[in-house]
Amino acid sequence: EDKVVQSPLSLVVHEGDTVTLNCSYEVTNFRSLLWYKQEKKAPTFLFMLTSSGIEKKSGRLSSILDKKELFSILNITATQTGDSAVYLCAVANFGNEKLTFGTGTRLTIIP
Amino acid sequence: NAGVMQNPRHLVRRRGQEARLRCSPMKGHSHVYWYRQLPEEGLKFMVYLQKENIIDESGMPKERFSAEFPKEGPSILRIQQVVRGDSAAYFCASSRTSGSLSDTQYFGPGTRLTVL
Repeated sequence: EDKVVQSPLSLVVHEGDTVTLNCSYEVTNFRSLLWYKQEKKAPTFLFMLTSSGIEKKSGRLSSILDKKELFSILNITATQTGDSAVYLCAVANFGNEKLTFGTGTRLTIIP
Repeated sequence: NAGVMQNPRHLVRRRGQEARLRCSPMKGHSHVYWYRQLPEEGLKFMVYLQKENIIDESGMPKERFSAEFPKEGPSILRIQQVVRGDSAAYFCASSRTSGSLSDTQYFGPGTRLTVL
């Protein structure tokens, strides 16, 4: 059974700090890894990663995948209070269409 | 371009009643997925549908739960004879295609079901 583990479970930092969120996975026939941000409503898509070593970047957020070591990190620099959310990591494999999610990292940014 | 729409946003039912949750995918999307999120847990896959077809229901309980995605209208997740353990947030996602490295599932705002 596919498995996704995220760490830390929760993180509290001050505004302006840089954070790194971790996601490790075990999946057969890996296809892609996705990051979502969940506030009080819909998980919103951040990144999809399919290839090792290629950083994806969007503003202050960036993410990279290591398919050899089976993990991904999500970095957020110069954090703002609006970054407070639960960050979800999910994996997809070939053969079915479901996403397998981790339990998320709850990030709290203190002003 | 409207996103994935779900209604109702909040639903309260008494034990034994039926719950119907609706999902309209994004325009141009023909693939719908339902996930359930229990408090302090990640999203768990329930079912994947295309128009008029259930493709994968491996995550859906065998009893009391059913899903459909008719040719016309929204996808519906139906829970019969609800129990307290069904209380959760139910999220719908949609995608344009499937099996593609470049495709992504986009999520709706969820329906929070509370069973009294």
